[in-house]
Amino acid sequence: RKEVEQDPGPFNVPEGATVAFNCTYSNSASQSFFWYRQDCRKEPKLLMSVYSSGNEDGRFTAQLNRASQYISLLIRDSKLSDSATYLCVVRGYNKLIFGAGTRLAVHP
Amino acid sequence: DTGVSQNPRHKITKRGQNVTFRCDPISEHNRLYWYRQTLGQGPEFLTYFQNEAQLEKSRLLSDRFSAERPKGSFSTLEIQRTEQGDSAMYLCASSLEASTFGSGTRLTVV
Repeated sequence: RKEVEQDPGPFNVPEGATVAFNCTYSNSASQSFFWYRQDCRKEPKLLMSVYSSGNEDGRFTAQLNRASQYISLLIRDSKLSDSATYLCVVRGYNKLIFGAGTRLAVHP
Repeated sequence: DTGVSQNPRHKITKRGQNVTFRCDPISEHNRLYWYRQTLGQGPEFLTYFQNEAQLEKSRLLSDRFSAERPKGSFSTLEIQRTEQGDSAMYLCASSLEASTFGSGTRLTVV
């Protein structure tokens, strides 16, 4: 079993749609949680950190459930520019552990 | 210094040759990581430095791979006797908390 598992993609949605990504992690000792965004042939870039209380950044909302070891990302009012791969990331003791990513394609 | 710098951006090498990549982290970041990413996968951890000390190495890092971070500043990743399976994007990241990635070095072994 992979340490971080994500929804398989791709998600194809129209502009304006709401889309949700899910992620589970296996190590209950994990300390920090993040969503990264990666565009084709580019490096991953931090989208947002994820906190137990839930946090929002504009159209993006992240949730963490430590008891279920579950992380989610909600994107509201999708834009064409949201098309990318979204990586669920968990920090262990010394390193970030990445999921395989979920691809999002937003179409007109 | 506005980000993590990696070079070269691309490297094509013949099987069996040695290659070396360089990473210059964000200057105030004491943690430095190397990751490898292949198509359709997330980045996989290779190794981690805190200042000049290499604190963790993945079992993915075979004896042909070596990384250094002299003086706790830039880092190099060397691959000896390259194999076709080494073809990947090699990403460097530095961090205080969340990591900032460089643009990567894309290695193609032919």
